[in-house]
Amino acid sequence: QSVLTQPPSASGTPGQRVTISCSGSSSNIGSNYVYWYQQLPGTAPKLLIYRHNKRPSGVPDRFSGSRSGTSASLAISGLRSEDEADYYCAAWDDTLSGPGLVFGGGTKVTVL
Amino acid sequence: EVQLLQSGGVLVQPGESLRLSCAASGFTFSSSAMSWIRQAPEKGLEWVSGISGSGDDTYYADSVKGRFTISRDNSKNMLYLQTNSLRVDDTAVYYCAKDKKVNAIVPELDYWGQGTLVTVSS
Repeated sequence: QSVLTQPPSASGTPGQRVTISCSGSSSNIGSNYVYWYQQLPGTAPKLLIYRHNKRPSGVPDRFSGSRSGTSASLAISGLRSEDEADYYCAAWDDTLSGPGLVFGGGTKVTVL
Repeated sequence: EVQLLQSGGVLVQPGESLRLSCAASGFTFSSSAMSWIRQAPEKGLEWVSGISGSGDDTYYADSVKGRFTISRDNSKNMLYLQTNSLRVDDTAVYYCAKDKKVNAIVPELDYWGQGTLVTVSS
């Protein structure tokens, strides 16, 4: 059971816009930055979005992130076949038992 | 070019210990916090531990606290994870990852190693 909740799957046709949600709480998303990682099949994860909505150099502007309250979302516009991957949200969690980075369970994006 | 090279996969028995290594190059190692993240077979990502650039501050997931120890040798550009009392559910691919920042709080993991498969089985 992941601390952050994501839908297990999402899909779209090429060119469509796909949105992935990530739900948390006041101790993580509600008070800390949200990050998104993309994991292509058989490879290590890659930082896609940091600090809610910033893109590292080289990440296309088709990818965008946002946060509202204790939820966040990742949008992929102009979906392409190479976007087929697993996407994970992450946030620091300020729990009393010990702070740490928490991930969502991941969302598998399929390009139909 | 930033590179994080991890040691090879290994099979160990429950209760045994293992030290994972991650050799860093292409950046000022002591200026970056580092983390270990693992991924069980067909499962999602789980953050395991983080360490500041100086090595003074460390953080652990509850699932490994007291069993795993993260450390670094800035003179050798090496990151380590000492894993003790390994359990079957520790079986996973373990990734080392570089942080964009020097402090380990709120990791921003911009480069990842290739991963090391650790299999714990009798």
